Amino acid sequence: GAVVSQHPSWVICKSGTSVKIECRSLDFQATTMFWYRQFPKQSLMLMATSNEGSKATYEQGVEKDKFLINHASLTLSTLTVTSAHPEDSSFYICSARGFSGGGGGDTQYFGPGTRLTVL
Amino acid sequence: RKEVEQDPGPFNVPEGATVAFNCTYSNSASQSFFWYRQDCRKEPKLLMSVYSSGNEDGRFTAQLNRASQYISLLIRDSKLSDSATYLCVVNSQTGANNLFFGTGTRLTVIP
Repeated sequence: GAVVSQHPSWVICKSGTSVKIECRSLDFQATTMFWYRQFPKQSLMLMATSNEGSKATYEQGVEKDKFLINHASLTLSTLTVTSAHPEDSSFYICSARGFSGGGGGDTQYFGPGTRLTVL
Repeated sequence: RKEVEQDPGPFNVPEGATVAFNCTYSNSASQSFFWYRQDCRKEPKLLMSVYSSGNEDGRFTAQLNRASQYISLLIRDSKLSDSATYLCVVNSQTGANNLFFGTGTRLTVIP
């Protein structure tokens, strides 16, 4: 089946620093990637939708200048949390949607998530 | 009103029990429906899609009632390995594949 990887799986950083999270589709080309955030005991909340080669579409309430998204290729999207603060501590999950012989199809495949802790 | 609402849980059931989860969605134009499973500190994984006619996959049965905007998941003969959080997920935007997640229902199967 389709596989999506994320790196790093967890990160601890100091307040004010920037953190970059990578999301890769390993065996299919992802025309669209999604970035979600999940706080403890809450549901996944969509932050933004990115299409390869174009600007990301951000959900209401998500600061585009704080959460920078780049989708430069069909297999890679990055999320950069700039000037991170403790309230940004969360579980960040990407998902990818695309088409491949492996059946990327209409199903969104999720990465394993990145746990960010900002001290 | 939330896009997707689920039973808050938690559900604690003995092995072998049958358990049912319910979910309602607010957008009558929703196109696709899913149940995902999420283990602690892990990403959600697709358990099954939900079709209008209802569908079954082994011990799992999903039902959809479009008129009531209601989705259910039934798990028969619960196993310890079924312990997880079950997320009701709805795709409410045609073509955009934007998934809306319920808060999830926590299931613990007890030996």
